[in-house]
Amino acid sequence: EVQLVESGGDLVQPGGSLRLSCAASGFTFSDYDMNWVRQAPGKGLEWVSHISSSRTIYYADSVKGRFTISRDNAKNSLYLQMNSLRDEDTAVYYCASASVCSGGSCRTYWGQGTLVTVSS
Amino acid sequence: EILMTQSPATLSVSPGERATLSCRASQSVGSNLGWYQQKPGQAPRLLIYGASTRATGIPARFSGSGSGTGFTLTISSLQSEDFAVYYCQQYANWPRTFGQGTKVEIK
Repeated sequence: EVQLVESGGDLVQPGGSLRLSCAASGFTFSDYDMNWVRQAPGKGLEWVSHISSSRTIYYADSVKGRFTISRDNAKNSLYLQMNSLRDEDTAVYYCASASVCSGGSCRTYWGQGTLVTVSS
Repeated sequence: EILMTQSPATLSVSPGERATLSCRASQSVGSNLGWYQQKPGQAPRLLIYGASTRATGIPARFSGSGSGTGFTLTISSLQSEDFAVYYCQQYANWPRTFGQGTKVEIK
């Protein structure tokens, strides 16, 4: 069974830092691109960052220069280092796989999310 | 950045009826368009990718159509479990962008 389990969410003051982790199991993590997507309370989905299986990286403009995505294939883990946090970074952060295809059909996998609250 | 605009914001539908949701892109995304369903307290679930291909395990009552800048998600006969928020997302260009969502509620 495929599982993505996020951790690391917490209450942090503006300007602070936090590192989110996502532990993957049940699929060959190293073969797949991965994403972070966030959702502010009561709001819609916002794509945050992407890292390919070959470590090509993209960021949303809203986090560029402050957040760093990385992966450790040996540990089947995805990370998001978040620095210079702002109130508007308050959200549930989801880790999500790119399309995983089998038998001609594809799906994505998502974790349950971890809550980051930026507040003084 | 490609702006994705969904309409309507809220759709009130009776169980068993058809629901039609729209998504428009500010520039062409080809067929690089996905639809997600999200229920309260849950992670999103991919319904449709490639604008019209159902994801693994998605019932046939969900169908997607369109290409370029205009897309539609149709739920042919709404079941109780289909009342949720639906998002479109383009994956043609970086940054990936979502629409603001359409809430499908019980009429």
